[in-house]
Amino acid sequence: QVQLQESGPGQVKPSQTLSLTCSVSGGAISSGSYYWSWLRQHPGKGLQWLGYIDYSGRTNYNPSLQSRLTLSVDTSRNQFFLKLTSMTAADTAVYYCARVGALALDFWGQGALVTVSP
Amino acid sequence: VLTQSPGTLSLSPGERATLSCRASQTVSSNYFAWYQQKRGQAPRLLIYGASNRASGIPDRFSGSGSSTDCTLTITRLEPEDFAVYYCQQYTSSTGYIFGQGTKLEIK
Repeated sequence: QVQLQESGPGQVKPSQTLSLTCSVSGGAISSGSYYWSWLRQHPGKGLQWLGYIDYSGRTNYNPSLQSRLTLSVDTSRNQFFLKLTSMTAADTAVYYCARVGALALDFWGQGALVTVSP
Repeated sequence: VLTQSPGTLSLSPGERATLSCRASQTVSSNYFAWYQQKRGQAPRLLIYGASNRASGIPDRFSGSGSSTDCTLTITRLEPEDFAVYYCQQYTSSTGYIFGQGTKLEIK
């Protein structure tokens, strides 16, 4: 059973860069069979897809965040990463990592709450 | 844009629930999915490719769809089915987009 776990700071200051890590167990990113995605959910709101990356580092970003978002992958550690620059209060959300299989997000991490405050 | 209806659905255990999702962009029905989210938890994939149940999903959950519309049906509601449900569509231009959610609550 594939498991994903987000890790990173629970709080960042405005204008700073958010860095999150997703650690994958139970399956190898290097298998190349899946994409690996980041999503977020603002408090009390719906889901927003941020982007995905494959084992080779090929990415696809949400156009609304493309200028601020960078995804990367380390297959040797079975991890993938998110960097989101110029954080504001509007970026306060629960951030999820997930696996993309069959054009759907079939395994999810438990989520990491990130709060942007001075 | 994906528009889900209704916004809230009030039903009793044992009843049948029908949730709808309409897309503004035509895509293959293969690109539709449904998720269930309970309070404080990550979403769980229920249906992919419009009509395929994900692993471990009970057969009271079923989905159907076309190029612009998809439907999630839950027959014989169980107490654990009361949650928020999201539809999802994938397109090459927008990536993954989600509806605003339908809250299924106990009547």
